[in-house]
Amino acid sequence: QKEVEQDPGPLSVPEGAIVSLNCTYSNSAFQYFMWYRQYSRKGPELLMYTYSSGNKEDGRFTAQVDKSSKYISLFIRDSQPSDSATYLCAMRSYNTDKLIFGTGTRLQVFP
Amino acid sequence: SAVISQKPSRDICQRGTSLTIQCQVDSQVTMMFWYRQQPGQSLTLIATANQGSEATYESGFVIDKFPISRPNLTFSTLTVSNMSPEDSSIYLCSVEGGSEPEKLFFGSGTQLSVL
Repeated sequence: QKEVEQDPGPLSVPEGAIVSLNCTYSNSAFQYFMWYRQYSRKGPELLMYTYSSGNKEDGRFTAQVDKSSKYISLFIRDSQPSDSATYLCAMRSYNTDKLIFGTGTRLQVFP
Repeated sequence: SAVISQKPSRDICQRGTSLTIQCQVDSQVTMMFWYRQQPGQSLTLIATANQGSEATYESGFVIDKFPISRPNLTFSTLTVSNMSPEDSSIYLCSVEGGSEPEKLFFGSGTQLSVL
């Protein structure tokens, strides 16, 4: 079993839709949770960072962490074609620098 | 966030040759990380490079195959040696976020194809 599981998609939605991206994990030691966005032929770009259960909002993006269920989500409101990219979840435990990544979910927002 | 320049951005190489990838950061950083991103797979950490010491390699990666240099606090290289088609991948360098070391920032990556 992988430490982090993420549905690879692709996920195709119309412009303006609410998008939900999810990851599950098995290691209860994970304390820090991140979402990265990666455009084609570019490096991953940090979108959201959180270290506690609950919600964190930044503009159209909301990151949600449920440590009891070992489940994290990224919600995108009012999705735009420019949101079309691969979204990677990543996490690490307190005492290490090593990030564990999901495989990424490819999102396409069509006009 | 740090500005990370990585080159080459892409290359096509012959089996058995080596390629050196360069990573330049616009600020001094303690640790630099090298990742591999294979199609359909997670980003996988190859090694951590600290200035002034030998790189620390993750399980499955060895120095003879992926030698790393870290001559100063703003620069690192990763060499992919004696390449085979299985080495075809995206290679990424990354650094911690300075005042926010828990955050990781990435270069734009090197797309390597081995024939």
